[in-house]
Amino acid sequence: EIVLTQSPATLSLSPGERATLSCRASQSVSSYLAWYQQKPGQAPRLLIYDASNRATGIPARFSGSGSGTDFTLTISSLEPEDFAVYYCQQRSNWPPVYTFGQGTKLEIK
Amino acid sequence: EVQLVESGGGLVQPGGSLRLSCAASGFTVSSNYMSWVRQAPGKGLEWVSVIYSGGSTYYADSVKGRFTISRDNSKNTLYLQMNSLRAEDTAVYYCARVEGIEARYYMDVWGKGTTVTVSS
Repeated sequence: EIVLTQSPATLSLSPGERATLSCRASQSVSSYLAWYQQKPGQAPRLLIYDASNRATGIPARFSGSGSGTDFTLTISSLEPEDFAVYYCQQRSNWPPVYTFGQGTKLEIK
Repeated sequence: EVQLVESGGGLVQPGGSLRLSCAASGFTVSSNYMSWVRQAPGKGLEWVSVIYSGGSTYYADSVKGRFTISRDNSKNTLYLQMNSLRAEDTAVYYCARVEGIEARYYMDVWGKGTTVTVSS
């Protein structure tokens, strides 16, 4: 089973700053890595798929990079609405097991 | 508009059963991979189960043998039958559509969730 480890657990930044979130896989997942944003009381929202492709309607300040085992979600200039919890996710080939990282909480400094 | 609406959550005693429903609109459940994901209070996301368009089903080890995913094509609805419920099954349960180009693995449409509480 592939394990996804996100770091840091909590990131404290101010609006306008750049946020860099990391996700490391225990073995290669190629580019099959997705990122989600979740705000309190809401369902997760897909941000990035295939490591670097923005989902429909996602602002350009969100970008993803990486392949293999190391991935990064970057928010270029934080807006107040970006403070939330972020999860990475992948699926192992066989048996198909869908795995989420433990999450990174992005909080206002 | 593409939408998923869950229902069926509630309070159930340990050892009891519950069936969750997820009604889809704007797309066809049977043509897609569909999944259930849960989130225990204050915790992260945990994948529960998936059903492929061809009908194959897969489960997380934590629910295997107790939960069953299914769909009703005529109602365009996804289900999760949960038996032998335990306190650790307490969570918000989300249904989600699974998408992908070369590999179907990411979840692009989510419902708002339904809450399951297992307690005596």
